[in-house]
Amino acid sequence: DVRMTQSPSSLSASVGDRVTITCRASQDVSNYLSWYQQRPGEVPNLLLHHASILHSGVPSRFSGSGSGTHFTLTINGLQPEDVATYYCQQNYRAPGTFGQGTKVEFK
Amino acid sequence: VELVESGGGLVQPGGSLRLSCVASGLIFDIFPMAWVRQAPGKGLEWVSAISRGGESIYYADSVKGRFTVSRDNSISTLYLEMNSLRADDTAVYYCARPDGYLYYPMDVWGRGTTVTVSS
Repeated sequence: DVRMTQSPSSLSASVGDRVTITCRASQDVSNYLSWYQQRPGEVPNLLLHHASILHSGVPSRFSGSGSGTHFTLTINGLQPEDVATYYCQQNYRAPGTFGQGTKVEFK
Repeated sequence: VELVESGGGLVQPGGSLRLSCVASGLIFDIFPMAWVRQAPGKGLEWVSAISRGGESIYYADSVKGRFTVSRDNSISTLYLEMNSLRADDTAVYYCARPDGYLYYPMDVWGRGTTVTVSS
């Protein structure tokens, strides 16, 4: 199975900050990488797919980059509603493994 | 578009449970479907996926041989038959729609059904 490792596991930031989350795959997954946001008590929501393509309706402050084994999710200008746990998922092969998550909180 | 799971509950270790997921507002038989679970306070774990006609099926190693995924396109319903349940199967189980192939990004999620395995 492809192992996905996110860093950091958690972070604290202020409103308006730029936040970057990293996701590494144990093997090359090309650009078959998606990101999800899960707010407290809510269902996961797809943010980006194919590493950098914003899902419909997702604010443009979210962006993604990377290919192969190294990927990043960036939030440009953190907003209060962005407090959540973020997960990466590889979509290259089954099983579609997730990273362990990165919890984003406010300072 | 809505996915509604049911069938969760409290079950003893070694027991069985069948989860259902009813889809509405989408043409069910043109999409693969998947199950994802989340243990209390933990992250997301991809469990299983089935192609639109049921010909292709995948499982996570943690459930292989114990869980069986199936679907009935005539009633837009996805199932997860869970046998030999263990305490570490305790989780919220979500059904979700991969937008493309079986392990592709999931753009529609149900609200989940809770399974608790405990004596």
